[in-house]
Amino acid sequence: DIQMTQSPSSLSASVGDRVTITCQASQDISNYLNWYQQKPGKAPKLLIYDASNLETGVPSRFSGSGSGTDFTFTISSLQPEDIATYYCQQYDNLPVTFGQGTRLEIK
Amino acid sequence: QVQLQESGPGLVKPSQTLSLTCTVSGGSISSGSYYWSWIRQPAGKGLEWIGRIYTSGSTNYNPSLKSRVTISVDTSKNQFSLKLSSVTAADTAVYYCARETMVYEDYFDYWGQGTLVTVSS
Repeated sequence: DIQMTQSPSSLSASVGDRVTITCQASQDISNYLNWYQQKPGKAPKLLIYDASNLETGVPSRFSGSGSGTDFTFTISSLQPEDIATYYCQQYDNLPVTFGQGTRLEIK
Repeated sequence: QVQLQESGPGLVKPSQTLSLTCTVSGGSISSGSYYWSWIRQPAGKGLEWIGRIYTSGSTNYNPSLKSRVTISVDTSKNQFSLKLSSVTAADTAVYYCARETMVYEDYFDYWGQGTLVTVSS
C-alpha cells in the first residue's frame, strides 16, 4: 500500500492567516492526489483533485500543488468556516489510501 | 443532484455480518464512468477505503479486508451494498458510501452522510 503522511497533524492559526499542509507519498504517485475537507459530523468534501485543480464551487482561497511524492495544500486567507480536518488521498494504486488528517483550529 | 444514503443496523454483534445498503438518487447508478465505494472512519481516526464496485459487477477490495468483504450492486433498485463478515470491535466505525468519478481524473465527489455501526454484544 502507498502510505500518505500529512504534516502537521494539527494546526492552530488566526483568521486571515496563510495556512499550509503538506502530504508526502511513500512512492511516486505523479499528480494522482486529491484533498478533502471534513467538518465534524459530516462527510468529507472534495476540494482539490489531481493535486492542483479546484473543484467547482470551492472558494479560490484553497489551492494545491506538487507532484511525485511531495504535495502542498494552502488556504491563502483562513476563514472561520475553514475549521475542519483536511485529508489527502492518492489514487495512483489500489488500495486508495488517505493521509491521517490535519486538524485545523482557530487561534 | 446526486444523493447517497446509507441504511442498515447500527448495532452488530461480534462474529456476525455487518450489512449496509447505499441508495443512490438523482441519477442512475448504471450511467457514466463511476465506481461506487465504501469507506469507513473509526471515531476520531482517519479514512479507510473498503472497496468499490462498477455497475458491471466488477469489484476491488482493500487487501486488509478482502477476506471478509463483499460489495454487490442492484441496478434495478439503484442501490449497492456492503457485507463485512466476522466483525469485531475494531470494525466499529462510521461507514460512508461514495461515488468515485473516473474520467480523466479520479475522485470521490459525492458521499452519503455516513452511518455509525457499533460492534458490541
